[in-house]
Amino acid sequence: GQQLNQSPQSMFIQEGEDVSMNCTSSSIFNTWLWYKQDPGEGPVLLIALYKAGELTSNGRLTAQFGITRKDSFLNISASIPSDVGIYFCAGRSVHKLIFGTGTRLQVFP
Amino acid sequence: SQTIHQWPATLVQPVGSPLSLECTVEGTSNPNLYWYRQAAGRGLQLLFYSVGIGQISSEVPQNLSASRPQDRQFILSSKKLLLSDSGFYLCAWTGGAVSAYEQYFGPGTRLTVT
Repeated sequence: GQQLNQSPQSMFIQEGEDVSMNCTSSSIFNTWLWYKQDPGEGPVLLIALYKAGELTSNGRLTAQFGITRKDSFLNISASIPSDVGIYFCAGRSVHKLIFGTGTRLQVFP
Repeated sequence: SQTIHQWPATLVQPVGSPLSLECTVEGTSNPNLYWYRQAAGRGLQLLFYSVGIGQISSEVPQNLSASRPQDRQFILSSKKLLLSDSGFYLCAWTGGAVSAYEQYFGPGTRLTVT
């Protein structure tokens, strides 16, 4: 099925560093969402974006809805060990979400 | 507040055996419901979704089926499991009091077909 391209595929960073990841699509979306998944658990919604150009924060996380509506970005500032996991972007298509391929984040002390 | 339950949490089944996974949502009415499968280390594959009782849309033709016998209950089934059915099955819901576009996931069921 259709998927969004996320990059990077994986990241290995040191605690305290900032993290940036992005998601691109060939299609326009009217809603972008970012999820985090811990091992063995269901994804948890982090941020939802509804307007092109919108910049939304949730604690140390900041996400942006690209102006073209074909991309979105997630930044994590001052990473901590519990940020470890897989981050997924998703774009809304009518009743469904189209998910990205995921970015696996590892944080070293 | 809304909660979503899935059971069982883990399941080990032999090839050729039937399957029934259940998902229920509390605290909302007329939700849209979704079944996803996730292979190890991979992304989320949408299997089925439902916008109402008895209404099922299939995304990927395969060995599985879904049913929605009640407003807040979604069931994933198979008559005969294949090895390739192994994976992490996730149920999600959207709609109700919160934004209609935000999907919320259950804890998942880990299925191993042997």
